[in-house]
Amino acid sequence: KNEVEQSPQNLTAQEGEFITINCSYSVGISALHWLQQHPGGGIVSLFMLSSGKKKHGRLIATINIQEKHSSLHITASHPRDSAVYICAVRSQGGSEKLVFGKGTKLTVNP
Amino acid sequence: EPEVTQTPSHQVTQMGQEVILRCVPISNHLYFYWYRQILGQKVEFLVSFYNNEISEKSEIFDDQFSVERPDGSNFTLKIRSTKLEDSAMYFCASNLNAGYEQYFGPGTRLTVT
Repeated sequence: KNEVEQSPQNLTAQEGEFITINCSYSVGISALHWLQQHPGGGIVSLFMLSSGKKKHGRLIATINIQEKHSSLHITASHPRDSAVYICAVRSQGGSEKLVFGKGTKLTVNP
Repeated sequence: EPEVTQTPSHQVTQMGQEVILRCVPISNHLYFYWYRQILGQKVEFLVSFYNNEISEKSEIFDDQFSVERPDGSNFTLKIRSTKLEDSAMYFCASNLNAGYEQYFGPGTRLTVT
């Protein structure tokens, strides 16, 4: 059974700070997703990655397949980045289902 | 930009009633999914659907649940006899093909009283 753990559970930062959210998982995967969930509940896909690093604006996602670990970084954080960030993985073996972590609630204060 | 849509945004129903949650996936996508999130908990997979049949389902997806693609655009989740514990946010998702990024709808909040 694939378990996805995220840390920290809650994170409070000041505007402008560099943010790191971590995700670790227990079995081999074919892809890892970083998602953002807004207070209203909607889920937005930020990244899907299976190796290396991806960057989009102020967001950077990295993955280390050998260590079964991924990080999401936010540079120059802003109050509008406040949301829940969720890591989800797709296991190897042909399954398309995503297994989700519990999420990290980020609050960025002005 | 194409997006997944869901209706209604909020549904209130009484225990024992049937509900149908509707989704319109992105038009050229081939794989469709339902997930749910009970308040305060993580998102859980319910079912995946491809080529007009269920490709995978979780333990949660018991005989009370069914999915259907009644036409070329809609994808529905039916709960035959709702229970209090079915109260949750239900998300529909789709992707172009196996292995591609999944896109999520805004969710339907189901409240069973």
